[in-house]
Amino acid sequence: GAGVSQTPSNKVTEKGKYVELRCDPISGHTALYWYRQSLGQGPEFLIYFQGTGAADDSGLPNDRFFAVRPEGSVSTLKIQRTERGDSAVYLCASSLLWEAANTEAFFGQGTRLTVV
Amino acid sequence: GNSVTQMEGPVTLSEEAFLTINCTYTATGYPSLFWYVQYPGEGLQLLLKATKADDKGSNKGFEATYRKETTSFHLEKGSVQVSDSAVYFCALRDMDSNYQLIWGAGTKLIIKP
Repeated sequence: GAGVSQTPSNKVTEKGKYVELRCDPISGHTALYWYRQSLGQGPEFLIYFQGTGAADDSGLPNDRFFAVRPEGSVSTLKIQRTERGDSAVYLCASSLLWEAANTEAFFGQGTRLTVV
Repeated sequence: GNSVTQMEGPVTLSEEAFLTINCTYTATGYPSLFWYVQYPGEGLQLLLKATKADDKGSNKGFEATYRKETTSFHLEKGSVQVSDSAVYFCALRDMDSNYQLIWGAGTKLIIKP
């Protein structure tokens, strides 16, 4: 596609449920990032992939969060046993390279997750 | 560790006013610096960037100069329009941050006609 696509755009779930958030990056982009943005704050890094492997998952807040990118394209962020504090906008971005500080990252519109 | 601090909002200006949004950073390496913009209901978009000291990034009438001596990357525009109303984020990226983007908290800009 022309840009980074994230689905769903909105997700409301009950506390304790499992959710999956999907990101379809720009074709050909090998680097993929997940960020979380809480209201009134800047995005917070969660994880990034170079190809199929998670090159850095140091931003995942705890073991309820997990992400995969099995074929080096689409990525899924998985959250188990959701808590109200997980409510935020989850952003996905992709770029051609990751080992280049000046490379532009392109963002999707995000998935707004609300845990009730 | 690396960090970005930007002025708190909201910033409210009249149309055609001069805009400055301050951004300062802390970095151990030599980061690239970015301004992203988030229009209402839309995703983050790159506005401009600068990759080394004294570089000036510019786009859509906005400018920012990478000042290593003051560790700053202030965003400026000479004459704002209502359509510039958005949230603006300053960010840095370098190898010391494992190429993640490190973000400021964002500054909401409101332009009144």
